[in-house]
Amino acid sequence: DSGVTQTPKHLITATGQRVTLRCSPRSGDLSVYWYQQSLDQGLQFLIQYYNGEERAKGNILERFSAQQFPDLHSELNLSSLELGDSALYFCASSSGEGLGSTEAFFGQGTRLTVV
Amino acid sequence: AQSVTQLDSQVPVFEEAPVELRCNYSSSVSVYLFWYVQYPNQGLQLLLKYLSGSTLVKGINGFEAEFNKSQTSFHLRKPSVHISDTAEYFCAVTQYNNNDMRFGAGTRLTVKP
Repeated sequence: DSGVTQTPKHLITATGQRVTLRCSPRSGDLSVYWYQQSLDQGLQFLIQYYNGEERAKGNILERFSAQQFPDLHSELNLSSLELGDSALYFCASSSGEGLGSTEAFFGQGTRLTVV
Repeated sequence: AQSVTQLDSQVPVFEEAPVELRCNYSSSVSVYLFWYVQYPNQGLQLLLKYLSGSTLVKGINGFEAEFNKSQTSFHLRKPSVHISDTAEYFCAVTQYNNNDMRFGAGTRLTVKP
């Protein structure tokens, strides 16, 4: 158990809908990272928050947004869903701001299926 | 931007045999390098990482990797694998002061009895 909790574990929704994925980082970790894992794109970095502020942005679509709340949990919002958004979405957390200095711990992911 | 190529998508080996999973990276600046393992229905777990210093890095579960700057490689090795090592392995790279970690496509290691 990494200590990172993601909910829900599975989500099935229709095209055009909006969903929210939730991540609770390990106790004391200030950074939260979101990743998308799909068969055709592999593992892609989406976005990082550190202590409530956006720190780094990867290949995140404009239809997607995220935030980190004062209690440090994070939510990833996916809107106007398309079939191609079906993927496993991972959250990771680390204590520091940079990935080099601290280890990132991954949650078990949320499997999103868009039908 | 940095990128990673994992040269083998699948590596089948017999139990107790040695294994090497290959990883090459591309970056115009200095990098940090990582190997992660993903077991079925699990998240990623860090095996080892190279930040600086000794080019031979030892990780968990008996794995090690060697950073070779001239060949821009970071191959993962284990002298004797177990059935329990069957999993997907990901090489990843990030540049100094850049948290955009790029992952390779993964190598599926299958250990046969």
